[in-house]
Formats: sequence, structure tokens, C-alpha cells
Amino acid sequence: DVKVTQSSRYLVKRTGEKVFLECVQDMDHENMFWYRQDPGLGLRLIYFSYDVKMKEKGDIPEGYSVSREKKERFSLILESASTNQTSMYLCASSLGGTGTYEQYFGPGTRLTVT
Amino acid sequence: SQKIEQNSEALNIQEGKTATLTCNYTNYSPAYLQWYRQDPGRGPVFLLLIRENEKEKRKERLKVTFDTTLKQSLFHITASQPADSATYLCAPPNQAGTALIFGKGTTLSVSS
Repeated sequence: DVKVTQSSRYLVKRTGEKVFLECVQDMDHENMFWYRQDPGLGLRLIYFSYDVKMKEKGDIPEGYSVSREKKERFSLILESASTNQTSMYLCASSLGGTGTYEQYFGPGTRLTVT
Repeated sequence: SQKIEQNSEALNIQEGKTATLTCNYTNYSPAYLQWYRQDPGRGPVFLLLIRENEKEKRKERLKVTFDTTLKQSLFHITASQPADSATYLCAPPNQAGTALIFGKGTTLSVSS
């Protein structure tokens, strides 16, 4: 079974802190994604990566950065957390290339910034 | 820009009935569309994929249709059960084909 794990289920941080959210997948997938999910707004893509050290901006990259040093690990970084970044963060992975591959999601991290 | 709309935020039906969820897209023509299920507090789980040249796809009690003329996909659950209660998301690819665009979802509640 594909497994995508996220470092924390719940996280509480203070405004201005640097926050790292880690995601690891064990299926050798090329593509990895970070989303945030908010009530009424649905799932929105923050960043994605199709290879090690490669990254692409999604729909809402402002205030975030990412790092992919190893194929199995994709990190989301909030350089200076703000209250409007309180959200559920979901990581996903999929096979790469030009196929129509489904995405496998982690359990999510509920981040609260106070 | 491409837009995805799932018409109903919530759908309540009785056990045994068929649930029909709608996904409309505008301003482009995706080559395929995926459907996911999401339970509260969990990540979405892939259910079905349908391509533009397929009119219909089935998997057990699930059926998906794809009408490129109407720019619409319908997701049906036949003989629905309380365990089918969840949020269902449609997700076509973006215009570049590099990522999925998720609809806001329809929350289905099946009462016994």
C-alpha cells in the first residue's frame, strides 16, 4: 500500500515563527504536492515538485516555500507564520510523467497560528 | 481561467436511493477527470478516473459519466448506505496538465 506520512497531525505555532511541515512517501513517486484546505474554499495547491530539487508554484504560493532534497521527502516551510495561515495542510504524491495518475494523500496537519 | 463547480455543498438522501453529484467545468476541456472521497479529518482517497473519450465508468456501486458537450461529470452511488456518507471531490487537471484542480466538494449524508 502507498503510504504518505506527515510529521504532525496537530501543530500550534505563534505568529512570526518559522514552521516546517514534513511529508514522506514510500512508493518512489516522482510527484509531490502541498495543499491547504479551508472551509468554503476547498483544496488549494500551494506548491508541487516533479523531481528532486525541482519545484513549481501552485495557486497560492505566497508566504510559503518548499524543499525537496530527497525523492521521498517534500517539506513545506512557512518563513514567518501568520494567523491567516491557520489551516489544514495536506501532502500528496503520485507517479510522474504525462500520465493521469491518481494522487495519494497523507492524513493532514492541522496548523493553528496564534 | 479554468473553473470547477460542484453544484451542491450538501446532499441528503435515504439509504437505498441513488445519490447523484454534479461537477461542472468552464473555460477549458480537460482530458480526464478524477473523483475522490474525503472523510472528516482525513486526506482524500482516489475513487475513479474517467477520460474524455469515455462516456461512462463503473466500479461496484459507483458510476461516473463525462459529457464534454455539457462540460459536466456526474457521479452516482447506487443503493447508497450510511457508510457512503462523506465529502466527494471532483478533480480535473489544470490546463497545463501538471496538477489537479479540486472542486470544493459535495458532502453526502445517507440516513438509514
